[in-house]
This record gives sequence, structure tokens and C-alpha cells, in this order.
Amino acid sequence: QLVPTQSPSASASLGASVKLTCTLSSGHSIYAIAWHQQRPEKGPRYLMKVNSDGSLNKGDGIPDRFSGSSSGAERHLIISSLQSEDEADYFCQTWGTWVFGGGTKLTVL
Amino acid sequence: EVQLVESGGGLMQPGGSLRLSCAASGFTVSDSYMTWVRQAPGQGLQWVSIIYPSGNTLYADSVRGRFTISRDSSKNTVFLQVNSLRVEDTAVYYCARISSGNYDWGQGTLVTVSS
Repeated sequence: QLVPTQSPSASASLGASVKLTCTLSSGHSIYAIAWHQQRPEKGPRYLMKVNSDGSLNKGDGIPDRFSGSSSGAERHLIISSLQSEDEADYFCQTWGTWVFGGGTKLTVL
Repeated sequence: EVQLVESGGGLMQPGGSLRLSCAASGFTVSDSYMTWVRQAPGQGLQWVSIIYPSGNTLYADSVRGRFTISRDSSKNTVFLQVNSLRVEDTAVYYCARISSGNYDWGQGTLVTVSS
């Protein structure tokens, strides 16, 4: 089963921007993915779907400072104006095969 | 408003069985993609199974043959039948609804498998 790849950790300063990456395996660059956020001790929360053409389907109530993009086999989650509440695990999931990446733990410094 | 409420978790012995339920409101489960996802303690999210509006189902390799997803339209509820429980099935089990541009999560139910 197609397993997307994520870096285990990332960090950025309060108020700064960060780009998290989800990489699809070669030959699967047409797949869309979903991004989910999971704060400590909480359940997952859907952020957005990122299509291969870079178009987005954002979840209800997701702030504008959360955005996404696509480049080849990479799907990105961009968070601007980082806030302390953004410190969380971020998981990508392939759309259609439904497999999750290992997640990226984001630390806000 | 979309709501998903899971139930049926608990402490189970290896080899046992249980049925998890996901009661939905605010939409019709038989018109939706409904999925189960689990998270073992301290681990990431693991996709388990999905049922499509057509009734077609898919399973992760690690659960195929032991888990069965189903739905009851009269109760607007999705189920996950889990057989031959293993210690490694210990996890919080979440159900979720997937639509074309959105994804709604339940709060999860904890399954602990231990002798």
C-alpha cells in the first residue's frame, strides 16, 4: 500500500511560517492528500485536501493562515503567523488509498 | 451539524471479539464514505477500513480477514466487527466521514487488549 513520507519533526518560531512536506512515492504523484492536525491529548482535526494541481479543499473553520501547495510528488502544508496552539502532530493521508504518513511533530519555539 | 459518536470499546482478552459502533447524525451514512482509523498509544494514525456508498469495502493489510466494516441505514450507524483480537490491536478507534472536500472525525473509543 502507498505510504507517504513525512519528516518526524519540525520547528519554527512564534509568528514565523513553516512548510511541512508529504512526499508520495514515485509513480503516484497524481494523488491528492489530506492534512490532519492532532494537538496533544486530542483527537484528529481535518485541515484540508491538497490536489495534485495545487487546488485546496479546506475544512470548515480552518484559519486562512493554513494553506497548501503541490509540486510533483510533494504536497505541502504551510502555516503562517505561527501560534502556540499550532504545536501539534500533523499527518498526511493519501486520498483514495487512505494510508497515513508517519506524521510530523511541530514545535513552536 | 455533523456528529459522530463511537462506542463499544473496552478491556478485552486476546482472541476475543467486539463490535464498535459509530452513530451518525446530520447526514446519511449510506450516502457517505465512512472510515475507521486507529491510533495505538504514542503512535501515529493508522487507516483500518472504509465502506463506500456502493457498499464496497476496503481493509488495511494488517486487519483484513479479522475486521469487518458494515452499516445499518435504519440506525444511521457504522460498525466495525473485530475478531481474533491481538495485543497490538490496542488503540483508540476513530470513525470518520469523508466527503468530496471535507472530513469529519468522531471522538474515538479506546480498545485495550490484554491478558
